[in-house]
Amino acid sequence: QSALTQPASVSGSPGQSITISCTGTSSDVGGYNYVSWYQQHPGKAPKFMIYDVSNRPSGVSNRFSGSKSGNTASLTISGLQAEDEADYYCSSYTSSSTYVFGTGTKVTVL
Amino acid sequence: EVQLVESGGGLVQPGGSLRLSCAASGFTFSNSAMSWVRQAPGKGLEWVSAISGSSGRTYYADSLKGRFTISRDNSKSTLYLQMNSLRAEDTAIYYCAKVAAATPPRWFDPWGQGTLVTVSS
Repeated sequence: QSALTQPASVSGSPGQSITISCTGTSSDVGGYNYVSWYQQHPGKAPKFMIYDVSNRPSGVSNRFSGSKSGNTASLTISGLQAEDEADYYCSSYTSSSTYVFGTGTKVTVL
Repeated sequence: EVQLVESGGGLVQPGGSLRLSCAASGFTFSNSAMSWVRQAPGKGLEWVSAISGSSGRTYYADSLKGRFTISRDNSKSTLYLQMNSLRAEDTAIYYCAKVAAATPPRWFDPWGQGTLVTVSS
């Protein structure tokens, strides 16, 4: 159950697009379309943003989108806004019927 | 409104025990898979344990090595985490989360506000 690998930090200017990668194995990310993403602002609980790789729950801005290729999933934030500055975590269901989170990515809006 | 409220955190000595609770409301608790996720100070999220809604089947992170036990009382709409043989590295905010009503349950929403567990002498 090793953590999924994410870049420690990603930054962009307002209005730009950024992409956060999430790399796992064939036992988790690559084996299922069950990747989800969470946003966490400092001192707050995580907020659910994307499920099943690319689906947005109601209430989440369409500026957030997800995709997957092989063992790597990605979260793209388009039209970057100041409020998007936060930590982002991916998560995947695994072949052991357990769950694993990514290492987390700090998004900075320049 | 779906709400999850954790309690039971606090300061405990190494080797000690603690039981966390998560009171749920706003949904049919007995049908819902539930999970605990923790976050050490300044670190990332770590999945700890999950329990299914109907059968009560339990799942744990390998790193816990049998020290933690997840359980639920559907009559009280409450989730528990019994933590034994606590170590300094168990110091974290412990979040309770509802696992999606899908097959298999595979995303966490919503989350409680968390309860802080500090293991220190």
